[in-house]
Amino acid sequence: KQEVTQIPAALSVPEGENLVLNCSFTDSAIYNLQWFRQDPGKGLTSLLLIQSSQREQTSGRLNASLDKSSGRSTLYIAASQPGDSATYLCAVKGDSGNTPLVFGKGTRLSVIA
Amino acid sequence: GAVVSQHPSRVICKSGTSVKIECRSLDFQATTMFWYRQFPKKSLMLMATSNEGSKATYEQGVEKDKFLINHASLTLSTLTVTSAHPEDSSFYICSAKTGDSPLHFGNGTRLTVT
Repeated sequence: KQEVTQIPAALSVPEGENLVLNCSFTDSAIYNLQWFRQDPGKGLTSLLLIQSSQREQTSGRLNASLDKSSGRSTLYIAASQPGDSATYLCAVKGDSGNTPLVFGKGTRLSVIA
Repeated sequence: GAVVSQHPSRVICKSGTSVKIECRSLDFQATTMFWYRQFPKKSLMLMATSNEGSKATYEQGVEKDKFLINHASLTLSTLTVTSAHPEDSSFYICSAKTGDSPLHFGNGTRLTVT
């Protein structure tokens, strides 16, 4: 059974710092991996989607990498801003049939002005 | 982009009553919808998968008679929490997709059972 782990559980950084969030998964047979952002009491916003054949995706200040064989992904946030404060969730989709996403517990990020 | 509307965003109900949560795909036909539940400081946990026109498939440990899911059309799925209890208080999120498309998520429903 797929398990997704995110480290650290919480992170507090000063504004302007670059940071890395980590995600690991136990079953490397994935179809894709997604990073989401969740603001308190809100739904999910998809940030980046990496297909299993890809190594990385970039969007603005965000860069996500995928090492499928080792079961790892990282989300790099450059020049962090207070508006980046949120919980970041990593989720993987299995490669067989109509499988749903399996989520990690998230990393709660606080960017201090 | 594809939009999934979830309603209500927040509901408070008394113990023993039933609550219905709606999930609509506004600009695409959702062949598959997923319902998740999230407890505070926990990850999203899949409750059930519903395909249009067929019975939902529930994850282990989720009571299908308590969490009734109906996916009667390609744009609407509903989750009814029957005889709600305080331990059912949680954040419920739906997601929808068509074919092999990415998932699109609703904004979630905060259920509080008093």
